[in-house]
Amino acid sequence: QVQLVESGGGLVKPGGSLRLSCAASGFTFSDYYMSWIRQAPGKGLEWVAHILSGGTTIYYADSVKGRFTISRDNAKNSLYLEMNSLRAEDTAVYYCVRAMAGPRDYWGQGILVTVSS
Amino acid sequence: DIQMTQSPSSVSASVGDRVTITCRASQDINRWLAWYQQKPGKAPKLLIHTASTLHSGVPSRFSGSGSGTDFTLTISSLQPEDFATYYCHQANSFPRTFGGGTKVEI
Repeated sequence: QVQLVESGGGLVKPGGSLRLSCAASGFTFSDYYMSWIRQAPGKGLEWVAHILSGGTTIYYADSVKGRFTISRDNAKNSLYLEMNSLRAEDTAVYYCVRAMAGPRDYWGQGILVTVSS
Repeated sequence: DIQMTQSPSSVSASVGDRVTITCRASQDINRWLAWYQQKPGKAPKLLIHTASTLHSGVPSRFSGSGSGTDFTLTISSLQPEDFATYYCHQANSFPRTFGGGTKVEI
């Protein structure tokens, strides 16, 4: 069955870095575009980044552009989010999402990132 | 960027009620609109994509309509498991954006 498992979250100080990973299984990872979505505590959903199946076409939210990097390794069935220069407002649950808003839409369980001194 | 405005932000309803949530886009998004349901502590679940296509496994009491800038999610007869927060999402262009959410509560 389809599984998306996020890892790499945790507590980091402002200005620090963190790398999130998403391990995909149960489907042909290289066939799908992937996204990261986040949700701050008690707030709504925010789209963060999107990468097409080949990995060369990428889009970012303005709030993370220049600080976050989305990438994928199709050989390892993995999606990544490199987060630098972290700020308190980046505190959120981060979700790995397959083929968002389409008939193959699927979400991971989410991973918490807390940016605090 | 396309702004998505959802209303109401919350609605009180009872089991069996008909509930309607609206979403307005700041510019034409054709039919590139999805609806998600989220329960506390859980990941969102897709209900509807391309404005009116019911996602696999979603009960038929959920329906979506609209095109262009104005969209509607309707729950025809509210069930206990439908108490949740609902979000609209535009998939027409980048950056992708969400509505602010509608909490359906008793």
